[in-house]
Amino acid sequence: EVQLLESGGDLVQPGGSLRLSCAASGFTFSSYAMSWVRQAPGKGLEWVSTFSGSGGSTYYADSVKGRFTISRDNSKNTLYLQMNSLRAEDTAVYYCTKGDGSGSYSPSDYWGQGTLVTVSS
Amino acid sequence: DIVMTQSPDSLAVSLGERATINCKSSQSVLYSSNNKNYLAWYQQRPGQPPKLLIYWASTRDSGVPDRFSGSGSGTDFTLTISSLQAEDVAVYYCQQYYSSPYTFGQGTKLEIK
Repeated sequence: EVQLLESGGDLVQPGGSLRLSCAASGFTFSSYAMSWVRQAPGKGLEWVSTFSGSGGSTYYADSVKGRFTISRDNSKNTLYLQMNSLRAEDTAVYYCTKGDGSGSYSPSDYWGQGTLVTVSS
Repeated sequence: DIVMTQSPDSLAVSLGERATINCKSSQSVLYSSNNKNYLAWYQQRPGQPPKLLIYWASTRDSGVPDRFSGSGSGTDFTLTISSLQAEDVAVYYCQQYYSSPYTFGQGTKLEIK
């Protein structure tokens, strides 16, 4: 059974940093693209970043480029999102998702329950 | 960036009736070399993470009831629920995975009339 368990969400001040983690199980982690998608309170879904399962390519939304860094540790079956220079508009539930293939061009076939990041003073 | 626009924003349908949600992309998401549309539909029930319903515009994900169907090509797509059930109350999103950024539509809220 595929499981994705996010952690690391917290209340942080504007300008601060946070690292999210996503522990994956139930599939061959290294073979699949993994992504972060966020949802601000009461709002729609926003794709944030993808790390391909092959070749190690990374992709970012313009809204987070230069501030967020996606990474993965295939030996630990864990996906990360390092978030720096956080802004109020980054406040959201952050979902970890699994792609249905290795390429970045994959729909998200499994989603975690999400972790809440709140940026406020 | 490819902009995804869904219509309507909200929809109320009687139980057992058909529900239709539209999604339009600002440029084609059809990849000519494999003739596939890089378009997915997700369902998000209240308080739950999203769930993949449809990918490649018309392929149902495993376990998705056959009352859900996807159609369309190029820039215009439709999600149809043939006979609405109470458990289908949710927000539905389309997403293009043709090119980064992999944008979502704004969502369509589906309720029971």
